[in-house]
Amino acid sequence: QQQVRQSPQSLTVWEGETAILNCSYEDSTFDYFPWYHQFPGESPALLIAIRPVSNKKEDGRFTIFFNKREKKFSLHIADSQPGDSATYFCAASITGNTGKLIFGLGTTLQVQP
Amino acid sequence: GGIITQTPKFLIGQEGQKLTLKCQQNFNHDTMYWYRQDSGKGLRLIYYSITENDLQKGDLSEGYDASREKKSSFSLTVTSAQKNEMAVFLCASSINWAAEQFFGPGTRLTVL
Repeated sequence: QQQVRQSPQSLTVWEGETAILNCSYEDSTFDYFPWYHQFPGESPALLIAIRPVSNKKEDGRFTIFFNKREKKFSLHIADSQPGDSATYFCAASITGNTGKLIFGLGTTLQVQP
Repeated sequence: GGIITQTPKFLIGQEGQKLTLKCQQNFNHDTMYWYRQDSGKGLRLIYYSITENDLQKGDLSEGYDASREKKSSFSLTVTSAQKNEMAVFLCASSINWAAEQFFGPGTRLTVL
Protein backbone atom coordinates (compact mmCIF):
# COMPACT_ATOMS: atom_id res chain seq x y z
CA GLN A 1 0.00 0.00 0.00
CA GLN A 2 1.36 3.37 -0.97
CA GLN A 3 1.81 5.46 2.11
CA VAL A 4 3.92 8.35 3.26
CA ARG A 5 4.38 8.90 6.99
CA GLN A 6 5.48 12.17 8.46
CA SER A 7 6.79 13.10 11.90
CA PRO A 8 6.56 14.91 14.17
CA GLN A 9 3.03 16.22 13.82
CA SER A 10 4.17 19.53 15.30
CA LEU A 11 7.55 21.01 16.07
CA THR A 12 8.67 24.13 17.90
CA VAL A 13 12.20 25.46 17.63
CA TRP A 14 13.94 28.67 18.60
CA GLU A 15 15.06 31.15 16.02
CA GLY A 16 18.50 30.16 14.73
CA GLU A 17 18.12 26.45 15.47
CA THR A 18 17.91 23.72 12.86
CA ALA A 19 14.46 22.23 12.43
CA ILE A 20 14.34 18.60 11.31
CA LEU A 21 11.21 17.17 9.72
CA ASN A 22 11.02 13.49 8.90
CA CYS A 23 9.25 11.31 6.36
CA SER A 24 9.23 7.63 5.55
CA TYR A 25 7.61 5.66 2.77
CA GLU A 26 6.80 2.07 1.93
CA ASP A 27 6.80 1.73 -1.83
CA SER A 28 10.36 1.28 -3.10
CA THR A 29 9.31 2.32 -6.60
CA PHE A 30 8.76 5.93 -5.50
CA ASP A 31 11.36 8.08 -7.23
CA TYR A 32 10.37 11.69 -6.65
CA PHE A 33 10.18 13.27 -3.20
CA PRO A 34 9.06 16.90 -2.91
CA TRP A 35 8.47 19.02 0.14
CA TYR A 36 5.67 21.58 0.04
CA HIS A 37 5.06 24.31 2.57
CA GLN A 38 1.77 25.95 3.41
CA PHE A 39 1.46 29.23 5.30
CA PRO A 40 -1.76 29.92 7.21
CA GLY A 41 -4.55 30.91 4.86
CA GLU A 42 -2.50 30.09 1.78
CA SER A 43 -2.16 27.17 -0.59
CA PRO A 44 0.71 24.68 -0.61
CA ALA A 45 3.75 25.61 -2.66
CA LEU A 46 6.76 23.57 -3.68
CA LEU A 47 9.79 24.22 -1.47
CA ILE A 48 12.39 21.68 -2.58
CA ALA A 49 12.45 18.22 -4.13
CA ILE A 50 14.86 15.31 -4.60
CA ARG A 51 15.20 12.27 -6.82
CA PRO A 52 17.04 9.19 -5.51
CA VAL A 53 20.00 9.63 -7.85
CA SER A 54 21.46 11.67 -5.01
CA ASN A 55 21.13 11.49 -1.24
CA LYS A 56 21.23 15.22 -0.58
CA LYS A 57 19.70 18.31 -2.09
CA GLU A 58 20.38 21.82 -0.86
CA ASP A 59 18.66 25.10 -1.57
CA GLY A 60 19.84 27.86 0.70
CA ARG A 61 18.86 27.04 4.27
CA PHE A 62 16.78 24.04 3.19
CA THR A 63 18.33 20.59 2.74
CA ILE A 64 16.78 17.22 1.98
CA PHE A 65 18.63 14.15 3.21
CA PHE A 66 17.57 10.94 1.51
CA ASN A 67 18.19 7.37 2.67
CA LYS A 68 17.04 4.92 0.02
CA ARG A 69 17.92 1.81 2.02
CA GLU A 70 15.81 2.88 4.98
CA LYS A 71 13.15 4.52 2.82
CA LYS A 72 13.43 7.75 4.74
CA PHE A 73 13.98 11.37 3.86
CA SER A 74 14.13 14.47 5.97
CA LEU A 75 14.01 18.21 5.58
CA HIS A 76 16.51 20.26 7.54
CA ILE A 77 15.86 23.96 7.93
CA ALA A 78 19.03 25.64 9.10
CA ASP A 79 19.03 28.94 11.00
CA SER A 80 15.25 28.77 11.38
CA GLN A 81 13.40 32.08 11.18
CA PRO A 82 9.96 33.04 12.49
CA GLY A 83 8.93 33.46 8.85
CA ASP A 84 9.53 29.73 8.35
CA SER A 85 6.56 28.97 10.60
CA ALA A 86 4.19 26.97 8.42
CA THR A 87 2.93 23.46 7.77
CA TYR A 88 5.33 21.32 5.78
CA PHE A 89 4.15 18.37 3.71
CA CYS A 90 6.38 15.71 2.31
CA ALA A 91 5.18 13.71 -0.66
CA ALA A 92 6.24 10.92 -2.96
CA SER A 93 5.41 9.76 -6.43
CA ILE A 94 6.45 7.42 -9.19
CA THR A 95 7.72 9.07 -12.36
CA GLY A 96 5.64 7.83 -15.24
CA ASN A 97 2.66 7.24 -13.00
CA THR A 98 0.83 10.39 -14.08
CA GLY A 99 2.44 12.50 -11.36
CA LYS A 100 0.10 11.27 -8.68
CA LEU A 101 1.58 12.58 -5.44
CA ILE A 102 1.02 10.82 -2.13
CA PHE A 103 1.19 13.42 0.63
CA GLY A 104 2.07 12.98 4.28
CA LEU A 105 -0.22 14.50 6.90
CA GLY A 106 2.08 17.43 7.52
CA THR A 107 4.31 18.87 10.24
CA THR A 108 3.34 22.21 11.73
CA LEU A 109 6.50 24.14 12.47
CA GLN A 110 6.59 27.05 14.88
CA VAL A 111 9.77 29.08 15.11
CA GLN A 112 9.92 31.12 18.29
CA PRO A 113 11.85 34.40 18.21
CA GLY B 1 4.12 32.88 -15.01
CA GLY B 2 0.53 31.94 -14.65
CA ILE B 3 -2.33 31.71 -12.24
CA ILE B 4 -4.92 29.23 -11.06
CA THR B 5 -8.38 30.57 -10.31
CA GLN B 6 -10.92 28.67 -8.25
CA THR B 7 -14.57 29.63 -7.98
CA PRO B 8 -16.33 30.12 -5.74
CA LYS B 9 -13.98 30.95 -2.89
CA PHE B 10 -16.64 29.95 -0.35
CA LEU B 11 -19.43 27.49 -1.10
CA ILE B 12 -22.31 26.83 1.25
CA GLY B 13 -24.73 24.05 0.47
CA GLN B 14 -27.41 21.94 2.01
CA GLU B 15 -26.93 18.32 2.90
CA GLY B 16 -27.78 16.18 -0.12
CA GLN B 17 -27.29 19.03 -2.57
CA LYS B 18 -25.27 18.71 -5.76
CA LEU B 19 -22.49 21.30 -5.83
CA THR B 20 -19.95 22.25 -8.47
CA LEU B 21 -16.51 23.74 -7.98
CA LYS B 22 -14.58 25.25 -10.87
CA CYS B 23 -10.90 25.67 -11.62
CA GLN B 24 -9.16 27.56 -14.39
CA GLN B 25 -5.43 27.77 -15.15
CA ASN B 26 -3.55 29.86 -17.68
CA PHE B 27 -0.21 28.07 -17.36
CA ASN B 28 -1.14 25.96 -20.40
CA HIS B 29 -0.45 22.92 -18.21
CA ASP B 30 -1.50 19.48 -19.39
CA THR B 31 -2.24 17.90 -16.01
CA MET B 32 -4.76 19.09 -13.45
CA TYR B 33 -5.71 17.76 -10.02
CA TRP B 34 -8.39 18.12 -7.36
CA TYR B 35 -7.42 17.62 -3.73
CA ARG B 36 -9.39 17.77 -0.52
CA GLN B 37 -7.76 19.19 2.59
CA ASP B 38 -9.50 18.60 5.89
CA SER B 39 -8.61 20.79 8.81
CA GLY B 40 -5.25 19.80 10.25
CA LYS B 41 -4.78 17.04 7.73
CA GLY B 42 -2.90 16.38 4.57
CA LEU B 43 -4.03 16.56 0.99
CA ARG B 44 -6.02 13.71 -0.48
CA LEU B 45 -6.37 13.30 -4.22
CA ILE B 46 -9.93 13.16 -5.52
CA TYR B 47 -9.55 13.24 -9.30
CA TYR B 48 -6.88 14.14 -11.81
CA SER B 49 -6.66 14.64 -15.53
CA ILE B 50 -3.57 14.10 -17.66
CA THR B 51 -4.95 15.98 -20.63
CA GLU B 52 -8.16 17.41 -22.01
CA ASN B 53 -11.07 14.96 -21.74
CA ASP B 54 -9.04 12.56 -19.61
CA LEU B 55 -10.20 11.62 -16.10
CA GLN B 56 -8.48 9.47 -13.50
CA LYS B 57 -9.80 8.59 -10.06
CA GLY B 58 -7.78 9.40 -7.00
CA ASP B 59 -7.99 7.84 -3.57
CA LEU B 60 -11.09 9.80 -2.56
CA SER B 61 -13.25 9.79 -5.68
CA GLU B 62 -16.39 8.25 -4.20
CA GLY B 63 -19.11 10.88 -3.96
CA TYR B 64 -17.48 13.12 -6.54
CA ASP B 65 -17.52 13.58 -10.31
CA ALA B 66 -15.12 15.59 -12.40
CA SER B 67 -15.01 17.08 -15.86
CA ARG B 68 -12.09 18.35 -17.93
CA GLU B 69 -14.00 20.44 -20.43
CA LYS B 70 -10.92 21.94 -21.99
CA LYS B 71 -7.22 22.12 -21.29
CA SER B 72 -7.53 25.18 -19.09
CA SER B 73 -10.46 24.12 -16.94
CA PHE B 74 -11.27 21.30 -14.55
CA SER B 75 -14.53 21.06 -12.61
CA LEU B 76 -15.40 19.01 -9.57
CA THR B 77 -18.94 18.06 -8.59
CA VAL B 78 -19.97 16.94 -5.14
CA THR B 79 -22.82 14.64 -6.07
CA SER B 80 -24.60 14.74 -2.69
CA ALA B 81 -23.05 17.02 -0.11
CA GLN B 82 -22.52 15.56 3.34
CA LYS B 83 -21.67 17.34 6.57
CA ASN B 84 -18.53 15.27 7.05
CA GLU B 85 -16.99 16.60 3.87
CA MET B 86 -16.65 20.19 4.93
CA ALA B 87 -13.13 20.99 3.85
CA VAL B 88 -11.00 23.10 1.56
CA PHE B 89 -10.87 21.83 -2.01
CA LEU B 90 -7.65 22.62 -3.81
CA CYS B 91 -7.10 22.55 -7.53
CA ALA B 92 -3.58 22.12 -8.88
CA SER B 93 -1.89 21.87 -12.25
CA SER B 94 1.47 20.78 -13.60
CA ILE B 95 3.10 20.98 -16.99
CA ASN B 96 3.12 17.21 -17.16
CA TRP B 97 2.94 14.28 -14.84
CA ALA B 98 6.55 14.55 -13.68
CA ALA B 99 6.64 18.20 -12.72
CA GLU B 100 5.96 20.59 -9.88
CA GLN B 101 2.31 21.08 -9.02
CA PHE B 102 0.99 24.62 -8.62
CA PHE B 103 -2.00 25.08 -6.36
CA GLY B 104 -4.98 27.39 -6.58
CA PRO B 105 -6.31 29.38 -3.61
CA GLY B 106 -8.95 26.82 -2.73
CA THR B 107 -12.71 26.62 -2.28
CA ARG B 108 -13.94 26.25 1.29
CA LEU B 109 -17.05 24.07 1.43
CA THR B 110 -19.57 24.33 4.25
CA VAL B 111 -22.51 21.95 4.40
CA LEU B 112 -25.52 22.94 6.50
